[in-house]
Amino acid sequence: DGGITQSPKYLFRKEGQNVTLSCEQNLNHDAMYWYRQDPGQGLRLIYYSQIVNDFQKGDIAEGYSVSREKKESFPLTVTSAQKNPTAFYLCASSPLHSYEQYFGPGTRLTVT
Amino acid sequence: QKEVEQNSGPLSVPEGAIASLNCTYSDRGSQSFFWYRQYSGKSPELIMFIYSNGDKEDGRFTAQLNKASQYVSLLIRDSQPSDSATYLCAVAGNQFYFGTGTSLTVIP
Repeated sequence: DGGITQSPKYLFRKEGQNVTLSCEQNLNHDAMYWYRQDPGQGLRLIYYSQIVNDFQKGDIAEGYSVSREKKESFPLTVTSAQKNPTAFYLCASSPLHSYEQYFGPGTRLTVT
Repeated sequence: QKEVEQNSGPLSVPEGAIASLNCTYSDRGSQSFFWYRQYSGKSPELIMFIYSNGDKEDGRFTAQLNKASQYVSLLIRDSQPSDSATYLCAVAGNQFYFGTGTSLTVIP
């Protein structure tokens, strides 16, 4: 069963705590992406990675960090520096040299 | 000016009608164009992509691209209540941009 998995589906954290969102894919895709979706604002790119051990900031990288130690995995850490972390977080992947992005089911993060 | 613009809707059509969703983009160098469907509370699902001017058909869906006018559209024929969702347009050139989506409701 090929696809992208994200865990957990729902996550609740207290303000000031770092939290790591998981993203794993078995599609053998080279590129992976993290987006944030807020109501009425569409998708905003946080970070992306085209190869292992390399990643680039997107439009809203402040307060987030990522790693890409394995081709299959691209975890996102939401740090306490992120001012408004409550959102729907989406991970996507695509083959190299293609923009056809396929999304995981998402993680809904609530910080109180 | 936003890189990708869509009418947020909501767009309502009766069951069986044709739904027409439109998208304009600002980067003339854009090469690849995508339509995603997103049900409420779910993640986006890629339903169509088009790279060349003209029409591309897949079942009840037709994507239309006009690079001269910087315009891409999605037609849904014989609309069904299950087509009710938000449709996101995405454009790729030097970067990849999503529109904010058009909400479609198909009325039984």
